[in-house]
Amino acid sequence: GDSVTQMEGPVTLSEEAFLTINCTYTATGYPSLFWYVQYPGEGLQLLLKATKADDKGSNKGFEATYRKETTSFHLEKGSVQVSDSAVYFCALSEDQTGANNLFFGTGTRLTVIP
Amino acid sequence: DSGVTQTPKHLITATGQRVTLRCSPRSGDLSVYWYQQSLDQGLQFLIQYYNGEERAKGNILERFSAQQFPDLHSELNLSSLELGDSALYFCASSARGGQGSYEQYFGPGTRLTVT
Repeated sequence: GDSVTQMEGPVTLSEEAFLTINCTYTATGYPSLFWYVQYPGEGLQLLLKATKADDKGSNKGFEATYRKETTSFHLEKGSVQVSDSAVYFCALSEDQTGANNLFFGTGTRLTVIP
Repeated sequence: DSGVTQTPKHLITATGQRVTLRCSPRSGDLSVYWYQQSLDQGLQFLIQYYNGEERAKGNILERFSAQQFPDLHSELNLSSLELGDSALYFCASSARGGQGSYEQYFGPGTRLTVT
């Protein structure tokens, strides 16, 4: 079945450091891939998405590229800020239109210290 | 603010009881999804409704049920509650995003504590 494997956390970085959170997936078809972020005490917010191979999703300085050959969708940011401290979830949706339910990874907690 | 509302924000109840969680989707969204977030199981899909009809089912227990009403709001009913049902329950609704993709927008969640 479909699944997402995400880098174990927690991750602690200094401000302005480079961030990578690894995510790999298993899917039977052609999934859409997502990164969601959950700030303390809040719901999930869509951070970025990619719907086909080689697509790059980007938002707020974060980027992730849909790599079909390595079944990966790693999240990167060149210079993290304290305000980026949150839990990050990689997710996939089996239907290419994204209409189906999401399968989530376990989440990676990021803490950025000044 | 995602535009998805959930009530109540917190719920504390005893084992064996029944509760109802409510969700109002974003204006115009026809699909509603329910997810459960717990420490041991992570984020799991429970059930999806589309325009009043059940569309997909995930790891939803038989003690749980849901429905979507004509005004598109949805309710998740949890009965014969057990300690292990304590979790954060999220509702999401979907809208068409760019390139034909449907993005899911999440509500703030209802935190259920079973004592």
